[in-house]
Amino acid sequence: LAKTTQPISMDSYEGQEVNITCSHNNIATNDYITWYQQFPSQGPRFIIQGYKTKVTNEVASLFIPADRKSSTLSLPRVSLSDTAVYYCLVGANDYKLSFGAGTTVTVRA
Amino acid sequence: DAMVIQNPRYQVTQFGKPVTLSCSQTLNHNVMYWYQQKSSQAPKLLFHYYDKDFNNEADTPDNFQSRRPNTSFCFLDIRSPGLGDAAMYLCATSRGHSGANVLTFGAGSRLTVL
Repeated sequence: LAKTTQPISMDSYEGQEVNITCSHNNIATNDYITWYQQFPSQGPRFIIQGYKTKVTNEVASLFIPADRKSSTLSLPRVSLSDTAVYYCLVGANDYKLSFGAGTTVTVRA
Repeated sequence: DAMVIQNPRYQVTQFGKPVTLSCSQTLNHNVMYWYQQKSSQAPKLLFHYYDKDFNNEADTPDNFQSRRPNTSFCFLDIRSPGLGDAAMYLCATSRGHSGANVLTFGAGSRLTVL
């Protein structure tokens, strides 16, 4: 089971880009990288998923280098409503999808 | 909208009094998970079902049990809640196909133990 390491917290201002890097040195060949967002008193919500290279959707981009030992979630032009905890999960076939500590992102006006 | 529904959203119980939390899904997903999330901590996987196959995490206390009577429903039973079991309990589902698994979470059930 791939263990993930993320920064505990990050501060930003409205309109800036936020990049959160997750390390997963023992990622397995079949593992996907998935990011979730969690607001207080709510369940986590899927943001983006990737296997290699770059993935972009309407809310974020995910950059994965060739060795796949890390990944970077990029949130463009954040707003106050992006203040949340962001989790990086690595895994696929074994269904043991365990959360790391997560990164608390605080966006200030 | 297809979704994951948890009931109740808030549950207060007394020390040692059994509690059952429920989860239902309209996604027809094969896998259902229960996570425990304590204040300011990450969700911790308790167990999951792949269809009817139950998979317990090694460090999940015996005090926690689960039932999945059909595809749509899954229950978390806490037989004798202690003060340390106060937490948010999150139900999640995933398709269960090989490859990527994306979790869809319910809103959670917050348990208070008096």
